[in-house]
Amino acid sequence: SQQGEEDPQALSIQEGENATMNCSYKTSINNLQWYRQNSGRGLVHLILIRSNEREKHSGRLRVTLDTSKKSSSLLITASRAADTASYFCATSNAGGTSYGKLTFGQGTILTVHP
Amino acid sequence: GAGVSQSPSNKVTEKGKDVELRCDPISGHTALYWYRQSLGQGLEFLIYFQGNSAPDKSGLPSDRFSAERTGGSVSTLTIQRTQQEDSAVYLCASSLKYEQYFGPGTRLTVT
Repeated sequence: SQQGEEDPQALSIQEGENATMNCSYKTSINNLQWYRQNSGRGLVHLILIRSNEREKHSGRLRVTLDTSKKSSSLLITASRAADTASYFCATSNAGGTSYGKLTFGQGTILTVHP
Repeated sequence: GAGVSQSPSNKVTEKGKDVELRCDPISGHTALYWYRQSLGQGLEFLIYFQGNSAPDKSGLPSDRFSAERTGGSVSTLTIQRTQQEDSAVYLCASSLKYEQYFGPGTRLTVT
């Protein structure tokens, strides 16, 4: 079963605009990661934010985490047509030995029009 | 260096047949994961190998599914007596710690 819920399910914007995707989860986490997927095949890791962090940046990406609301957002600034892909959040649950095991959200399909 | 590779890239099989899917992780990565992605279910965790520890099999949907990891490297996911609902893309990933590196997947179609 999927822990995370993402919204919107689909987002369509023009090149140069910012794209914001949100993710909610249910259990206590060790960290939250965002992945990108092109063409329904392999995923690419974008960014990881730990449970004790509130914000993280990487290039045009900005991730926030609110553990009190069990939610995260991914902001892509100055979007490009090449950013068109599906974006997934994934959580690593706190505690236990399977710390590497990820639970994925349903994903947001982002389309950036040139 | 080489990334995670999976074979075959596509597999079409008849209902009731057994299939084996292979994953070659990144050299040196201690953890290996199998996931399944289908339209109705999204991305589902199947099984997780970490070093020499017993694998976490909590995501395997039925006893028709099994996986091995030999010599801490290559892994094989076996599905016995395939059913149409097994049709999906099977993704393998490996990691040193938290960040996972995914292979391109095997698209399995059960007819």
